[in-house]
Amino acid sequence: AQSVTQLDSQVPVFEEAPVELRCNYSSSVSVYLFWYVQYPNQGLQLLLKYLSGSTLVKGINGFEAEFNKSQTSFHLRKPSVHISDTAEYFCAVSGLPANDYKLSFGAGTTVTVRA
Amino acid sequence: NAGVTQTPKFRVLKTGQSMTLLCAQDMNHEYMYWYRQDPGMGLRLIHYSVGEGTTAKGEVPDGYNVSRLKKQNFLLGLESAAPSQTSVYFCASSYPDRGDGQPQHFGDGTRLSIL
Repeated sequence: AQSVTQLDSQVPVFEEAPVELRCNYSSSVSVYLFWYVQYPNQGLQLLLKYLSGSTLVKGINGFEAEFNKSQTSFHLRKPSVHISDTAEYFCAVSGLPANDYKLSFGAGTTVTVRA
Repeated sequence: NAGVTQTPKFRVLKTGQSMTLLCAQDMNHEYMYWYRQDPGMGLRLIHYSVGEGTTAKGEVPDGYNVSRLKKQNFLLGLESAAPSQTSVYFCASSYPDRGDGQPQHFGDGTRLSIL
């Protein structure tokens, strides 16, 4: 089974400042890793995913994440945030082989961007 | 461009009442999922389906039933609602893994309150 720990429940940040959201995972098998974003009163949207290959993954809206296998981490970063980035962010993991289709989610990190 | 549509968006029930939440997807996805989202706990999988006519239990299945009579629809039933089932319910759908990590597409959620 897989599990995810998001190390920060809330992250306040000023507009145009950088932000990093931390995610650690646990798994006895290889994994796929995802970051989803949830804007207020909406469903989850995929930001980016790591499947294999390059450990630096670029996603939508200027976000990127780095997979670190030795530290079992998948931290999300954005160099300069906007007010519109205020949302809840979820890290999720799915174990391989590929027919293990269940996602395990972290508890979420609420990002509040202030002017 | 509907994607995943959940009905209803809001509902208030009394303890002991029953109801059905409907999820419909127009992307021809084989897999469908029901999650519940509670503060500080992320999303937890209730039940899922890998194809028409098949269902399976997820992490928190007790008190819920599901049916997948048509490929595009996935129904979640509460047989006898309890206050502990007050939550936001999300439906998601995906293809089987085609080498793209099988990203799940989410509906906008159903807010359910049990009094």
